[in-house]
Amino acid sequence: QSVLTQPPSVSAAPGQKVTISCSGSSSNIGNNYVSWYQQLPGTAPKLLIYENNKRPSGIPDRFSGSKSGTSATLGITGLQTGDEADYYCGTWDSSLSAAGVFGGGTKLTVL
Amino acid sequence: QVQLQESGPGLVKPSETLSLTCTVSGGSVSSGSYYWSWIRQPPGKGLEWIGYIYYSGSTNYNPSLKSRVTISVDTSKNQFSLKLSSVTAADTAVYYCARGNWNYVYYYYYYMDVWGKGTTVTVSS
Repeated sequence: QSVLTQPPSVSAAPGQKVTISCSGSSSNIGNNYVSWYQQLPGTAPKLLIYENNKRPSGIPDRFSGSKSGTSATLGITGLQTGDEADYYCGTWDSSLSAAGVFGGGTKLTVL
Repeated sequence: QVQLQESGPGLVKPSETLSLTCTVSGGSVSSGSYYWSWIRQPPGKGLEWIGYIYYSGSTNYNPSLKSRVTISVDTSKNQFSLKLSSVTAADTAVYYCARGNWNYVYYYYYYMDVWGKGTTVTVSS
């Protein structure tokens, strides 16, 4: 059972837009920055978004992040077949446990 | 460009200790900016944070694994390592090392910007 909650799967057609949600609590998303990772089949995760909405160099602006309260959202526009992957949210949990936490992951299917 | 590479046995017997090393190239584990991290992914499942180490030796571990985990750093070899004791089949996973960014500026941020390719560890007799 992951600390952060994501939908198991989402799907959309090429060229369309999709959003992936990530829900947490005041000890994690509510009071800390969120990051997002893309994991293509058989590969290591890759950082897509950090500090809620910042993109590392080389990540296209089709990918965006936002946060409101204890939830965060990853948005992907102009979907491409190459975007088909698992997406994970992550953050720091500053409760007594003080640990890094991830969502359970969302499988994006580009129909 | 910083690269990380995991190494270690791919098969570990139940009750024994899993030992992995992450070699950092193109950068230094002694950099004061980063928290060298371990993450694992059981087959068909999501990511699980194991812990991190700072170059000074300061560590932070996942509470659910804390009693069995030790992360250490060897600055002379530019490596950091993971030891997980008393393993069971539930510890079978792909283990990733990663470069973590952690700090507190009004809020905490913690994200991994460079990842190794991962190494598969199977726990079986």
